[in-house]
Amino acid sequence: SQKIEQNSEALNIQEGKTATLTCNYTNYSPAYLQWYRQDPGRGPVFLLLIRENEKEKRKERLKVTFDTTLKQSLFHITASQPADSATYLCALLSGNTGKLIFGQGTTLQVKP
Amino acid sequence: DTGVSQNPRHKITKRGQNVTFRCDPISEHNRLYWYRQTLGQGPEFLTYFQNEAQLEKSRLLSDRFSAERPKGSFSTLEIQRTEQGDSAMYLCASSHRLVYTGELFFGEGSRLTVL
Repeated sequence: SQKIEQNSEALNIQEGKTATLTCNYTNYSPAYLQWYRQDPGRGPVFLLLIRENEKEKRKERLKVTFDTTLKQSLFHITASQPADSATYLCALLSGNTGKLIFGQGTTLQVKP
Repeated sequence: DTGVSQNPRHKITKRGQNVTFRCDPISEHNRLYWYRQTLGQGPEFLTYFQNEAQLEKSRLLSDRFSAERPKGSFSTLEIQRTEQGDSAMYLCASSHRLVYTGELFFGEGSRLTVL
């Protein structure tokens, strides 16, 4: 069956360090993968998209990699700040239906 | 504000009652999605529309759930004979079919508590 797995344990890091979050998937061949941020009690907010033919994508302090051989995406936040504390979700399109499937999310806590 | 709007934001109901949530998507978006999210989990797909057509419905959705988008604009999600297991955040999102990225714009959600 199709699965998207993110680290369920919260990630705690010190301000200024780089946070790295992992998204692994099985039984998918996604054309692209998306990352969202979700704050408590709010809806998810789109951050970045990376296509299958792109190895890496950057946006300000964010960097996403996509390895279709390993079936894995890594999401990096450099020079992390307490304001980066949130839950981060990865998402894939399921087939050609336009249905976006989400992982369970990883909660990041950046301590000052 | 021209984002996705959901109402009500919070709903407390007794088991067995019917509830209805409304979603107003971004005006030029023709795709509309409903997701359910429980604590510590990611959004779980329920159904989605392209214009007024309901293109897919999750097998997880029982017959007590129904969604409509009668004129291809706003959508309603109705839950009949609510159960305590229906307690969750119900998220609506919209996107434009012609935008290759397919990124979803979410509303703030409607939180349902079934007593």
